[in-house]
Amino acid sequence: DTEVTQTPKHLVMGMTNKKSLKCEQHMGHRAMYWYKQKAKKPPELMFVYSYEKLSINESVPSRFSPECPNSSLLNLHLHALQPEDSALYLCASSQDLDFNYGYTFGSGTRLTVV
Amino acid sequence: GQQVMQIPQYQHVQEGEDFTTYCNSSTTLSNIQWYKQRPGGHPVFLIQLVKSGEVKKQKRLTFQFGEAKKNSSLHITATQTTDVGTYFCAGPINAGNNRKLIWGLGTSLAVNP
Repeated sequence: DTEVTQTPKHLVMGMTNKKSLKCEQHMGHRAMYWYKQKAKKPPELMFVYSYEKLSINESVPSRFSPECPNSSLLNLHLHALQPEDSALYLCASSQDLDFNYGYTFGSGTRLTVV
Repeated sequence: GQQVMQIPQYQHVQEGEDFTTYCNSSTTLSNIQWYKQRPGGHPVFLIQLVKSGEVKKQKRLTFQFGEAKKNSSLHITATQTTDVGTYFCAGPINAGNNRKLIWGLGTSLAVNP
């Protein structure tokens, strides 16, 4: 299995809703990432997990809450989002944090906040 | 701060023409990665270059890493409509006690059939 699977593919949520994005990989990768991507922009790093521990938080607002239940799963919990948070949310994984390998990205969740 | 510049921002070519995108870093990079993102898709890893002056080929794609490890290029020979997408370069930088990938802004390639 050489894929990163993200669910849901599309999500529309109100500003008072709570929702979660899910990401799963079975490649034995020990580093997992959440990125946010706006149209015509490069991916913007949000969080990095290494060996299931949070390694980097890019000063992301607390309305985004990451969770890594085990080495294969990564969640992003969303609460009280703003319309400007609408974007493509990408999960990625890599063998480790040493940049010896490229990242494998999931197909993303297209989030619209109304 | 550390930056990775990528030019051009957009390129429109006729099918069969060649295409090149350039990536320049403000600092020396230990390696550089290239990704392709099709319209409506997600970034897909193409290749990583590590050595100074390294050149790698993938069919019609040629990747180069500069001697000073501060610049890189991706050249596509005889473009096809399947080459349409945005090409990003990315390199690791130090960020406090951590390292992370810094991304170029990307070059969007359109190919007229």
